[in-house]
Amino acid sequence: NAGVTQTPKFQVLKTGQSMTLQCAQDMNHEYMSWYRQDPGMGLRLIHYSVGAGITDQGEVPNGYNVSRSTTEDFPLRLLSAAPSQTSVYFCASSKQPGQGIAEAFFGQGTRLTVV
Amino acid sequence: AQSVTQPDIHITVSEGASLELRCNYSYGATPYLFWYVQSPGQGLQLLLKYFSGDTLVQGIKGFEAEFKRSQSSFNLRKPSVHWSDAAEYFCAVGAQGGSEKLVFGKGTKLTVNP
Repeated sequence: NAGVTQTPKFQVLKTGQSMTLQCAQDMNHEYMSWYRQDPGMGLRLIHYSVGAGITDQGEVPNGYNVSRSTTEDFPLRLLSAAPSQTSVYFCASSKQPGQGIAEAFFGQGTRLTVV
Repeated sequence: AQSVTQPDIHITVSEGASLELRCNYSYGATPYLFWYVQSPGQGLQLLLKYFSGDTLVQGIKGFEAEFKRSQSSFNLRKPSVHWSDAAEYFCAVGAQGGSEKLVFGKGTKLTVNP
């Protein structure tokens, strides 16, 4: 099973460039989320989705856009990259809670450097 | 608002010693609590989770955690640490059983001395 797949694994951008971080899951999970991880800060939620066509903002949404046209994919778009967006980005997916707790499954991360 | 505090940024233990990583949470209702582990350059792997029932939860790799409502704590323990346990550990809280909006602590980095 592939689980949650993120591409690319590494990326260097120049300030002002735009790009899309890809995330795909093959577990038929309803929920998907994007987090960023910075040293000493843990993981912070950027955007999340509870189903196709439904997205919402997390704790640190500024400078990022998302859309969810299919259950499988949840791309994260950087509109105009800034050095402050240098970070490791993680995508996660989880089932809709039913019987018990639905834990999140994480991708391997995308390490983004903005110069 | 939910919050998670992991008071220890870095812990060093000797191989074979016992381990306890602390986690305190703030949440208005009954929390859904998780411990994740992250090896260098890797994603996060779930160690264990808790919502209700027995307050002592068993996880993978020999880890366990105890939920103490009176202390708002969910500390992670392991009786005998192995060198392969060196990693960063994150405590997280979720709402209403779902994991789409997890709030993470800042993590505790574990170093294991031979």
